[in-house]
Amino acid sequence: EVQLVESGGGLVQPGGSLRLSCVASGFTFSSYWMNWVRQAPGKGLEWVANIQQDGSEKYYVDSVKGRFTISRDNAKNSLYLQMNNLRAEDTAVYYCTREMYYYISGMGYWGQGTLVTVSS
Amino acid sequence: QSALTQPASVSGSPGQSITISCTGTNSDAGGYKYVSWFQQHPGKAPKLIIYDVTNRSSGVSNRFSASKSGNTASLTISGLQAEDEADYYCSSYTSSSTLVFGGGTKVTVL
Repeated sequence: EVQLVESGGGLVQPGGSLRLSCVASGFTFSSYWMNWVRQAPGKGLEWVANIQQDGSEKYYVDSVKGRFTISRDNAKNSLYLQMNNLRAEDTAVYYCTREMYYYISGMGYWGQGTLVTVSS
Repeated sequence: QSALTQPASVSGSPGQSITISCTGTNSDAGGYKYVSWFQQHPGKAPKLIIYDVTNRSSGVSNRFSASKSGNTASLTISGLQAEDEADYYCSSYTSSSTLVFGGGTKVTVL
């Protein structure tokens, strides 16, 4: 069974940093594109970033470029999101997701999410 | 990176069919076969129901179907049931190698 378990969320002050982690199990982690998707309270879904199987390609939504960094450790079956210079508008539930197939095909698996709150 | 355009809400009576549209541009939904649809119930993580424009995810009812014409993708729910009441989101790959979601559509079963 595919499982994605996020952690690392919490309350942080504006300008602060946070590192989210996602531990994957039940599949060959190194074979899939992975994503971070966020959802602000009461709002819609927003794709944040993705990373290719070997980490050589990474893409970001414009609003987080230069502040967030996606990475992965295939030996540890783990996905990360380093978030720096956080803003109030980054407050959201952050989901770790896996593509359905080895190519970008649709986010078929989602974690339960971890809440990030940016507030003073 | 503008969001895809979806109607804010769609409603229908049990047994009826409804269609949700998702309009983009040639640089996203209109230019690629990588359009997906997600269902999200309150307090739950989203669930993939359609991938690659028309393919139903495993275990998804055949009451859900999807298509695309030009820059607009569509999701149709046939034989509407109470359990279909949820938020629905479309998503597409883009020419910038990024992904983008629609704003979401709230489906209400009357």
